[in-house]
Amino acid sequence: EAQVTQNPRYLITVTGKKLTVTCSQNMNHEYMSWYRQDPGLGLRQIYYSMNVEVTDKGDVPEGYKVSRKEKRNFPLILESPSPNQTSLYFCASRRLSTYEQYFGPGTRLTVT
Amino acid sequence: ILNVEQSPQSLHVQEGDSTNFTCSFPSSNFYALHWYRWETAKSPEALFVMTLNGDEKKKGRISATLNTKEGYSYLYIKGSQPEDSATYLCAFMRGNDMRFGAGTRLTVKP
Repeated sequence: EAQVTQNPRYLITVTGKKLTVTCSQNMNHEYMSWYRQDPGLGLRQIYYSMNVEVTDKGDVPEGYKVSRKEKRNFPLILESPSPNQTSLYFCASRRLSTYEQYFGPGTRLTVT
Repeated sequence: ILNVEQSPQSLHVQEGDSTNFTCSFPSSNFYALHWYRWETAKSPEALFVMTLNGDEKKKGRISATLNTKEGYSYLYIKGSQPEDSATYLCAFMRGNDMRFGAGTRLTVKP
């Protein structure tokens, strides 16, 4: 089944404790992206990647890192999480040649 | 700045009512306009991707139109059902930059 998976789905952590949220897709998509969703603000893009070893900042990259060592994986790294990074995070992927984007199930992160 | 505005923010209708929402976006350098349906605790599900001015798309009781010259898209739901209750998101794409509106939350009462 074609899908985007994220892990973990839920995470409660403390300020400053490094964490990684994994994202994987099995559709051989070149483009992958991370978004955060906050009430009243819609989805905001954090980082995106157009292919292996190619990453770019989105609207709200501060406090986040990403890497794209393999085509299928695009992990989101929070080196020192802070409470303002409490949010719902979505990973998404698509082919560069098309516009339809597929979303993962979301990761709800709480930083205390 | 790519501002995408959706209206209304929320909508409550009775089962059987028809309804429509608006998405406004910058009219320059247009690539594509997406509509997504997002149910609580699930991931956004693509409804339509529209690329050409005048595009009209339809999926069952849901349809959408696109006006790239004036920068708006309408989503219509005919004969709303309780299972249509969800947040409807639009997203404007310019190159690899994709900006989402805040969504319209639809509640359909039986």
